Amino acid sequence: DAGVIQSPRHEVTEMGQEVTLRCKPISGHDYLFWYRQTMMRGLELLIYFNNNVPIDDSGMPEDRFSAKMPNASFSTLKIQPSEPRDSAVYFCASSFQGLPSYTFGSGTRLTVV
Amino acid sequence: AQKVTQAQTEISVVEKEDVTLDCVYETRDTTYYLFWYKQPPSGELVFLIRRNSFDEQNEISGRYSWNFQKSTSSFNFTITASQVVDSAVYFCALSVTNTGNQFYFGTGTSLTVIP
Repeated sequence: DAGVIQSPRHEVTEMGQEVTLRCKPISGHDYLFWYRQTMMRGLELLIYFNNNVPIDDSGMPEDRFSAKMPNASFSTLKIQPSEPRDSAVYFCASSFQGLPSYTFGSGTRLTVV
Repeated sequence: AQKVTQAQTEISVVEKEDVTLDCVYETRDTTYYLFWYKQPPSGELVFLIRRNSFDEQNEISGRYSWNFQKSTSSFNFTITASQVVDSAVYFCALSVTNTGNQFYFGTGTSLTVIP
């Protein structure tokens, strides 16, 4: 099993640019979670999907953030326009039937300059 | 509301010393899971252990051991004979079934093992 795959591993972009983070969950997993890690706020849930449907997006900081899951094997987290305060590590995780057997991806380190 | 508290922000120990990382959680749910994750300097989150709320047995895995006590809402983690490779940030997390099993993370404890 390849695990949860995130891309890119590192992203540096200029303020105002659009940024797209990608995640491929483990095959067969029906839950997908996006987390953000910052020094100030620690690890916080942004949004999660069940069977490709967003269930709780209350953690999405503002309208500049959007997430999609067009199919069971792919999800994106988009920031448009990006701001320096969006600089963080973004983790994707997946699980099966909501069972707490989380597998995290390696994360995407985003730097907005 | 769910909450995880890791009161120790940073700990430094000398190699071969034992160290205990504290974790206190809050939840009104009777069914929940507790986790420990390790985040080494490379940044990934490495799963260490999961316990469910109905299993208070302590667990030992090599140099690692966990003490789960529902009476004090604590799930502490002990590393015996610490090694430099144990240097990392350790996160305790709570997962509650009726909130989609999203994780509630503590703020982490940064452990430095000095050679």
